[in-house]
Amino acid sequence: DARVTQTPRHKVTEMGQEVTMRCQPILGHNTVFWYRQTMMQGLELLAYFRNRAPLDDSGMPKDRFSAEMPDATLATLKIQPSEPRDSAVYFCASGSGGNYGYTFGSGTRLTVV
Amino acid sequence: GQNIDQPTEMTATEGAIVQINCTYQTSGFNGLFWYQQHAGEAPTFLSYNVLDGLEEKGRFSSFLSRSKGYSYLLLKELQMKDSASYLCAVTTDSWGKLQFGAGTQVVVTP
Repeated sequence: DARVTQTPRHKVTEMGQEVTMRCQPILGHNTVFWYRQTMMQGLELLAYFRNRAPLDDSGMPKDRFSAEMPDATLATLKIQPSEPRDSAVYFCASGSGGNYGYTFGSGTRLTVV
Repeated sequence: GQNIDQPTEMTATEGAIVQINCTYQTSGFNGLFWYQQHAGEAPTFLSYNVLDGLEEKGRFSSFLSRSKGYSYLLLKELQMKDSASYLCAVTTDSWGKLQFGAGTQVVVTP
């Protein structure tokens, strides 16, 4: 089965450090999402790309978060500087929508201390 | 703003039927998805509705009424493994922007 691959699976870092999360979408999928999930807020949409073009990143704190898709096989989400309130599970998802839905990666569990 | 509302938790007995409702008020609509998420795992795709009516997939069915901004997910012949969070999500633009409700935790008891 094709899968969305996210790295790292777990990350513990100190406040103020830079964090980079990576996602390899399924080949051929034209839409890529970044979500953040916490118990309090649920799944929040941070940013999404269509055919590698950023369409909406209004859900991201712009001063510290950035999302890019340098090529069709890689999407990145960067936090600089990280803060304890950024602790969450970050999911990447890719797909073409419709009856095929979108496939989620296993997530990156980020803890900022 | 976007509002996607679902009940927080539902409990049902093994073998029974449970219906999870979702109401939405969004600036745009281009389809509704249901996802299942077990604790500590990623969401997995269950169903998609874009036209009014019922879509059936085995033990799971999903219904949509666009005029009412309403959908439900019906789980039949409940099994213990169906204990999970069920997430309603709406595509709010033509490019596929997908926004989720808070999820409904379904607890299946013996």
